[in-house]
Amino acid sequence: EPEVTQTPSHQVTQMGQEVILRCVPISNHLYFYWYRQILGQKVEFLVSFYNNEISEKSEIFDDQFSVERPDGSNFTLKIRSTKLEDSAMYFCASSGGSRETQYFGPGTRLLVL
Amino acid sequence: RKEVEQDPGPFNVPEGATVAFNCTYSNSASQSFFWYRQDCRKEPKLLMSVYSSGNEDGRFTAQLNRASQYISLLIRDSKLSDSATYLCVAEKAGGYNKLIFGAGTRLAVHP
Repeated sequence: EPEVTQTPSHQVTQMGQEVILRCVPISNHLYFYWYRQILGQKVEFLVSFYNNEISEKSEIFDDQFSVERPDGSNFTLKIRSTKLEDSAMYFCASSGGSRETQYFGPGTRLLVL
Repeated sequence: RKEVEQDPGPFNVPEGATVAFNCTYSNSASQSFFWYRQDCRKEPKLLMSVYSSGNEDGRFTAQLNRASQYISLLIRDSKLSDSATYLCVAEKAGGYNKLIFGAGTRLAVHP
């Protein structure tokens, strides 16, 4: 069964450093998403991406965040200058259509020290 | 008011019990609703979609009441493997499938 994959599974970084979280969505999917979950809190929407552009973003997704689909398979989330409060689990998701089921990757656990 | 609100639990039930979870949502324009399951430190996984007519998948039954903005999940004959956090999720109306998650209800099934 096709699945969303994410790398790395864990990332530890120093405050102020840049991090890039990588995702490989399901191959025939067209809609891509990033969500995050701070430990003990709910899953929160960050951004949706379709047709090589951001279709919607939340207020969490400020200028420090960016997304890119650099080739036909990868979908990345970059945090330019990490803050302590960016520590969370980051989930990538993809769907085949705008109203179709979203499938989540296993997540990247980011720890900012 | 939270967009999607759930009782956090935990619900501690013996194997074989029937347990019901409830959820309310605040945006009457939300179009679609789901129950996801999340195991500890894992990704959310779709359990089932929720329809006004109600839908059943084996031991799981989901119901949507649009008038009351209320969603329910019933689990019959609980198994140890049902122990997880159950996430009530609304799809934001008009958005590109943006999902709004509740904080989750924790279920612990014991022998």
